[in-house]
Amino acid sequence: QVQLQQGGAGLLKPSETLSLTCVLSGGSLSGYHWTWIRQSPGVGLEWIGEIDHSGSTIYNPSLKSRVTLSVDSSKNQFSVRLTSVTAADTAVYYCARALGLAWGYYYMDVWGRGTTVIV
Amino acid sequence: DIVMTQSPATLSLSPGEGATLSCRASQSISTNLAWYQQTPGQAPRLLIYGASTRATGIPARFSGSGSGTEFTLTITRPQSEDFAVYYCQQYNRWPRTFGQGTKVEIK
Repeated sequence: QVQLQQGGAGLLKPSETLSLTCVLSGGSLSGYHWTWIRQSPGVGLEWIGEIDHSGSTIYNPSLKSRVTLSVDSSKNQFSVRLTSVTAADTAVYYCARALGLAWGYYYMDVWGRGTTVIV
Repeated sequence: DIVMTQSPATLSLSPGEGATLSCRASQSISTNLAWYQQTPGQAPRLLIYGASTRATGIPARFSGSGSGTEFTLTITRPQSEDFAVYYCQQYNRWPRTFGQGTKVEIK
């Protein structure tokens, strides 16, 4: 059974860097895309970006200048870094597996439990 | 970005009364639409993908339809565990975008 276990710091000061990791168990990073999504009361669900097992990334243009996704296949995990955080980055951050029948068309079928980040 | 608009914002139902949730895309997304269910304190759960295909383990009382810009999620005879918030999401283009959600509550 595929599961995603999230970890990382939940309390940050403005201008600090958010860093979260998602560890995959019960499966492999290969063959899928891996995404980060955040949720806040004011904005709702916001897609941050996705990465594949080789490290190819696609980012939300609204965050592109501050966000970096990475993958570590040896540890079966992927990560997100968001620099220069402000109160507007306060949200629950989710990692998820993106799955699709055709390249470029991916929906999220497995989600982590979420990490609350407060700035 | 593709804007996803859901209606209504809140749907109040009596137990066993059917529910119809709507989702509209600002441009055509073919059938590249997913529906998710979220209960308090939990992550979203995939219900439907491809506009009408139920995800693994999802009961048959959930059904999706639509294509292009208009989509519907129907819950036939909702059970107590179905009272939750439902989100639609398009995956036709990047960045992926979500609707603001429809809260289904007990009347």
